[in-house]
Amino acid sequence: AQKVTQAQTEISVVEKEDVTLDCVYETRDTTYYLFWYKQPPSGELVFLIRRNSFDEQNEISGRYSWNFQKSTSSFNFTITASQVVDSAVYFCALSEAGMDSSYKLIFGSGTRLLVRP
Amino acid sequence: NAGVTQTPKFRILKIGQSMTLQCTQDMNHNYMYWYRQDPGMGLKLIYYSVGAGITDKGEVPNGYNVSRSTTEDFPLRLELAAPSQTSVYFCASKDRTVSYNSPLHFGNGTRLTVT
Repeated sequence: AQKVTQAQTEISVVEKEDVTLDCVYETRDTTYYLFWYKQPPSGELVFLIRRNSFDEQNEISGRYSWNFQKSTSSFNFTITASQVVDSAVYFCALSEAGMDSSYKLIFGSGTRLLVRP
Repeated sequence: NAGVTQTPKFRILKIGQSMTLQCTQDMNHNYMYWYRQDPGMGLKLIYYSVGAGITDKGEVPNGYNVSRSTTEDFPLRLELAAPSQTSVYFCASKDRTVSYNSPLHFGNGTRLTVT
């Protein structure tokens, strides 16, 4: 069965600090996809990144970087030089084909990040 | 393109009332999903559909019904509202034909309170 664990419920940092959000997943499939979404205080869900299980290359996008390690079933997200605008709830999510190829997205419980000025 | 549109944005129901949360998308996506987000929690899948005429249960389907008569619309029905259904409801869609790992397109949510 699929499961996504985000053990950090809430993180508080001071602006310009680096912060890493942890995500650990469980799946029986060899083909699966991992995602990160951001939910700012306004409430909408913003897609940040996706990774498939065959691509363990780390990715950097500006101040954001992602570390995918199959050996530890982790897909961690780092924000470098955090800014107040980064304050949001961040969700890690897992998608696998399933019996009906529905690719349902299963979410972790989220990590609330507060960046203080 | 409007993307995924949900109506209403807010609603207050009394216990036992019924209502339909509307969701429509104009991207011709075949996959659609309903999630609920309880305060301080992640999103839980209620129902999903892989195409018109096909629906299936997610993690938390009890108390809800759905239908998918067209590609565009995926309404969620609450028959007998209960306080436990107080939540924010998100509808989402995905284009399966582009890629298996296409990201979900989310609507802006419907905030429902049952008192």
